[in-house]
Amino acid sequence: GENVEQHPSTLSVQEGDSAVIKCTYSDSASNYFPWYKQELGKRPQLIIDIRSNVGEKKDQRIAVTLNKTAKHFSLHITETQPEDSAVYFCAASMDSSYKLIFGSGTRLLVRP
Amino acid sequence: EAGVAQSPRYKIIEKRQSVAFWCNPISGHATLYWYQQILGQGPKLLIQFQNNGVVDDSQLPKDRFSAERLKGVDSTLKIQPAKLEDSAVYLCASSTGAGHYEQYFGPGTRLTVT
Repeated sequence: GENVEQHPSTLSVQEGDSAVIKCTYSDSASNYFPWYKQELGKRPQLIIDIRSNVGEKKDQRIAVTLNKTAKHFSLHITETQPEDSAVYFCAASMDSSYKLIFGSGTRLLVRP
Repeated sequence: EAGVAQSPRYKIIEKRQSVAFWCNPISGHATLYWYQQILGQGPKLLIQFQNNGVVDDSQLPKDRFSAERLKGVDSTLKIQPAKLEDSAVYLCASSTGAGHYEQYFGPGTRLTVT
């Protein structure tokens, strides 16, 4: 079945710097890749997603890129702020089931 | 709109006891998911319902876990008997239908098995 690997597991950046989180997936049939943000003790919330017919998508300070050939996708956060501190999860799914397979998470710490 | 509701928020039980969790999805959402999130890991899908039918339960430990979604609305997840390794947060999520739609998560139930 599908497997999603995510790295790094922890990332510490200075406020204002950029942060990049990378994920790889194993099943080439996967065609939908959402990113969820989970603050401590709270529920995961969707922050951005991308479908396989698109190479890049941007929403204000966050962007996601997808390389279907290499089977990897990345989350880019620019001008990081302390409120960006959270755990970020990537996920992948395909049309056969629509279920999300999550990565193991990246704990992002933005230092003021 | 109201979000996904779950109860209880916290539960502590001893191993070999049974426990049940309840989820009320967003009104009109046809698809409901139960995830298990072990500390430090990503959510893992246990079961997916489309209305009141099961779409995927391949990761559900059926010897001890069961779930139902009566009338295609509320859902319950039961564990009987519980094991220490079942300690986790159990998240319920819902989406509008079958497809790549945003999944809205509930606050979760934190289960501790002692």
